[in-house]
Amino acid sequence: DAGVIQSPRHEVTEMGQEVTLRCKPISGHDYLFWYRQTMMRGLELLIYFNNNVPIDDSGMPEDRFSAKMPNASFSTLKIQPSEPRDSAVYFCASSYGSQGYTFGSGTRLTVV
Amino acid sequence: ELKVEQNPLFLSMQEGKNYTIYCNYSTTSDRLYWYRQDPGKSLESLFVLLSNGAVKQEGRLMASLDTKARLSTLHITAAVHDLSATYFCAVSEDDKIIFGKGTRLHILP
Repeated sequence: DAGVIQSPRHEVTEMGQEVTLRCKPISGHDYLFWYRQTMMRGLELLIYFNNNVPIDDSGMPEDRFSAKMPNASFSTLKIQPSEPRDSAVYFCASSYGSQGYTFGSGTRLTVV
Repeated sequence: ELKVEQNPLFLSMQEGKNYTIYCNYSTTSDRLYWYRQDPGKSLESLFVLLSNGAVKQEGRLMASLDTKARLSTLHITAAVHDLSATYFCAVSEDDKIIFGKGTRLHILP
């Protein structure tokens, strides 16, 4: 298995632009999580899905953030419009039940 | 609201020494996880602890769980430079896991 695949690995964008981050979970995993990591705030859970259904989006910081999981093999996290304070590393993780998460390599987002 | 606290947040130690990282959490939980993160890299699962008194060991790392005290420890034996990394504990709450701030471990040769 190739693991959890995220794209792009790095993204640099200008303030106000739309940013879309992508994630392909491990096949057979029924949970998918989006985390954001910054030095100041550590690892924050943004949203998670179970069987493609959003369960808890209380960590999504603002309405500018949205996430979708149209099928079991793909999820997106979108920021529109982006702001410099959104700069962070965004991780996607998947799991089967609560057996422990497998993390993707992350997307390093820089908003200038 | 579940809170997960690690200490210390930063640890610099000599090779060959022993040390322990502590993880306290605020509510009852039946699963505790330890992860390792190298600089610029993703998180790697080290241990999953499922019950009170659980102990797991891998090489120079040993993790334990005391659910009554809401405490887990990660013990490092005879540290080597390759163990330099940031270590996170995480605790399950419903279907999700909440992470501590991480302990940045720097092992001096």
